[in-house]
Amino acid sequence: DTAVSQTPKYLVTQMGNDKSIKCEQNLGHDTMYWYKQDSKKFLKIMFSYNNKELIINETVPNRFSPKSPDKAHLNLHINSLELGDSAVYFCATSDRGTETYEQYFGPGTRLTVT
Amino acid sequence: AQSVTQPDIHITVSEGASLELRCNYSYGATPYLFWYVQSPGQGLQLLLKYFSGDTLVQGIKGFEAEFKRSQSSFNLRKPSVHWSDAAEYFCAVGARGTSYGKLTFGQGTILTVHP
Repeated sequence: DTAVSQTPKYLVTQMGNDKSIKCEQNLGHDTMYWYKQDSKKFLKIMFSYNNKELIINETVPNRFSPKSPDKAHLNLHINSLELGDSAVYFCATSDRGTETYEQYFGPGTRLTVT
Repeated sequence: AQSVTQPDIHITVSEGASLELRCNYSYGATPYLFWYVQSPGQGLQLLLKYFSGDTLVQGIKGFEAEFKRSQSSFNLRKPSVHWSDAAEYFCAVGARGTSYGKLTFGQGTILTVHP
């Protein structure tokens, strides 16, 4: 049983389209994150939700909108896709209550915008 | 703001040789430090972490890391590398308090293992 799963694994789409990436975790963690890994493998946090509340919102274009329907899910919707959005997007989770701060990552979604 | 530097972009070692991957951080307080490994096409797997206490921490797959506050470093080591260790390694520093969970990653070090 996969702890942190993402769908889809690969996503190829054209500029201007709107797409969503989904993340689900079965670890019972209360905090979920979205990271972007660019072509140079640089990994940068985008958003974080704790108990469905947005707690980290880095400098990300407002075309990106996260949504957490419940504690086990964090989705990422991207409007008007641009070439520069091509990257691997990782979901991660952690348990704030334990204060261990370690994060568990999903397998990633490779987004290619043409 | 916190930052992490991994000075070596690419390291090549022979199987069975020892390994040290360097990581330097900048953070205004006692840091939380992590090493993650990413195999091609995979997500990140946590190797080990430092929060407090003993500055030498043991992780999975025979890895260890030492926190040196005076040098702002958290270098990863392994005494004998296996071919399966070939991957990309990321050092990260975590924020405390109101910035809980904000991990800042280094640029990564690619490890190639020769037979």
